[in-house]
Amino acid sequence: GQNIDQPTEMTATEGAIVQINCTYQTSGFNGLFWYQQHAGEAPTFLSYNVLDGLEEKGRFSSFLSRSKGYSYLLLKELQMKDSASYLCAVRDRGSSNTGKLIFGQGTTLQVKP
Amino acid sequence: EPEVTQTPSHQVTQMGQEVILRCVPISNHLYFYWYRQILGQKVEFLVSFYNNEISEKSEIFDDQFSVERPDGSNFTLKIRSTKLEDSAMYFCASSDYEQFFGPGTRLTVL
Repeated sequence: GQNIDQPTEMTATEGAIVQINCTYQTSGFNGLFWYQQHAGEAPTFLSYNVLDGLEEKGRFSSFLSRSKGYSYLLLKELQMKDSASYLCAVRDRGSSNTGKLIFGQGTTLQVKP
Repeated sequence: EPEVTQTPSHQVTQMGQEVILRCVPISNHLYFYWYRQILGQKVEFLVSFYNNEISEKSEIFDDQFSVERPDGSNFTLKIRSTKLEDSAMYFCASSDYEQFFGPGTRLTVL
């Protein structure tokens, strides 16, 4: 089966650093994605990991450990506009290699002044 | 920057009516997807489409749903007889490797 877990809610202070964790179990792992989603809007691509290690992209970094089924998204120098839901998604290889994404429930991050 | 577009942005329909949701994927992408998100819930995979045919579909994608790529640019999702529980945001996505999502169509079934 497939299961993706991430915390439901987090709160952090403007200018701080926050880490959003994600654990997963999937039958055919083919990469892990992080998306940002503001209320009522579409998911926006943030980062992608297929190999173990850290990928850095400006204020955002994402880490993957395939052996532990674990990833995190690190947001630095938090800004008020970072208040949003952060979605962890695993690309499932599946039987036909279609690359469908399996999403977690999302972590709602509230940034406070 | 290329983007996925979707029309309409909002669709209100009566239960039992047919709806067609439209998407224009990014032009050089080969894989297309429909996802839905019921209010307050997670994004769920519906169907993937490659080489002019369905490559995978979820349990949600029953006989009431169909997809089509009628020409070289449009990708449509049809719901033949809508139910109340079909009310959701429907997102189209396309990919070459990363998946990019369209802005979504909010479907409300009354």
